[in-house]
Amino acid sequence: DADVTQTPRNRITKTGKRIMLECSQTKGHDRMYWYRQDPGLGLRLIYYSFDVKDINKGEISDGYSVSRQAQAKFSLSLESAIPNQTALYFCATSDLGRGGQETQYFGPGTRLLVL
Amino acid sequence: AQKVTQAQTEISVVEKEDVTLDCVYETRDTTYYLFWYKQPPSGELVFLIRRNSFDEQNEISGRYSWNFQKSTSSFNFTITASQVVDSAVYFCALTLLNNDYKLSFGAGTTVTVRA
Repeated sequence: DADVTQTPRNRITKTGKRIMLECSQTKGHDRMYWYRQDPGLGLRLIYYSFDVKDINKGEISDGYSVSRQAQAKFSLSLESAIPNQTALYFCATSDLGRGGQETQYFGPGTRLLVL
Repeated sequence: AQKVTQAQTEISVVEKEDVTLDCVYETRDTTYYLFWYKQPPSGELVFLIRRNSFDEQNEISGRYSWNFQKSTSSFNFTITASQVVDSAVYFCALTLLNNDYKLSFGAGTTVTVRA
């Protein structure tokens, strides 16, 4: 089984709809992240969480919200989807390892199309 | 502030040729980490390597090698004797100890290896 799973893997929705993307991990990591990928822009950070009670905005958080329901679960919500939120969304997890070194491991991604 | 630049948008080579992907980063911090990730056509992001700012040793892993030069703020990646399976988008990324380890990604370089 994959260490980091995302559901759904593909989603088509309409403008104005509320949608939730879910991420679960079995790696036991404390830190979780949500990114979006757009062609030619690489990945950009939306939100991140260092533990259940710690939520932080990334560089492009407007229009998004998150919920850290448990150490293993981190959900991303689009309260009212708009077409420019069409993108590939990635969840990632990490653990602050020995010496402060950290590596983020990514889920398989969710392709979202907003019509 | 942190920034990663991958100047090459696309590279196309014939199988067995070597290919070098350039990555230039910007930061004023002295403690940082550099990464390369691979995104094959299936879409997932695969971690390839992490290098910290205090370790300038080059690294080789099979056909992959990395050249880290602090003097030029570069962390270049070479695939030797490329194969069709190397076709993917490759991302360089940077994270800072003093910025919550948030990853900043370059825009990515698409490598196409033709048989």
